[in-house]
Amino acid sequence: QKEVEQDPGPLSVPEGAIVSLNCTYSNSAFQYFMWYRQYSRKGPELRMYTYSSGNKEDGRFTAQVDKSSKYISLFIRDSQPSDSATYLCAMSPGNQFYFGTGTSLTVIP
Amino acid sequence: EPEVTQTPSHQVTQMGQEVILRCVPISNHLYFYWYRQILGQKVEFLVSFYNNEISEKSEIFDDQFSVERPDGSNFTLKIRSTKLEDSAMYFCASKETSGGQETQYFGPGTRLLVL
Repeated sequence: QKEVEQDPGPLSVPEGAIVSLNCTYSNSAFQYFMWYRQYSRKGPELRMYTYSSGNKEDGRFTAQVDKSSKYISLFIRDSQPSDSATYLCAMSPGNQFYFGTGTSLTVIP
Repeated sequence: EPEVTQTPSHQVTQMGQEVILRCVPISNHLYFYWYRQILGQKVEFLVSFYNNEISEKSEIFDDQFSVERPDGSNFTLKIRSTKLEDSAMYFCASKETSGGQETQYFGPGTRLLVL
């Protein structure tokens, strides 16, 4: 069983749309949940970080964690072409990170 | 803004050769990591390092791999005898504190190609 599952997409939306990105996981020891943005052939850049369950907002971005369902989401409101990238979810019980495969997002002007 | 740096950005080597990938973590960070990403696949954990020793390693990190912090700033990954399947992007990451707080920051990566 894979530790982290993420739909690879690709996902293509018009500018201004609401984007929903999701990951599921199997390890109940995960406590730290991250969303990274990765451009082609570059290192992952941290976009959102959440500890345990709940919501966290940062501008147009909202991260949600539902530990009871082992499900995390990243919502992007009013999506912009500059949001186009691959979004990786990552989770950790406290040290090692486990990554999803990444979802490729394209926001069309 | 502080950032993790890695050198070289690209490395081409012959199968069986040794390579050393270099990283300069963020200066006040205490935890260091290496990950790899084979083209088109997910980012995979290799090893974590704290207090001058390996704290955790994955199945990928076998005897041909080693890590070292030779001075106060550099963190290196050595692959002793490279194989074709070692071709990947290698990312270094660092973190300030224990747990997931102050989460890991990644470098730009070194693209390794083994011929």
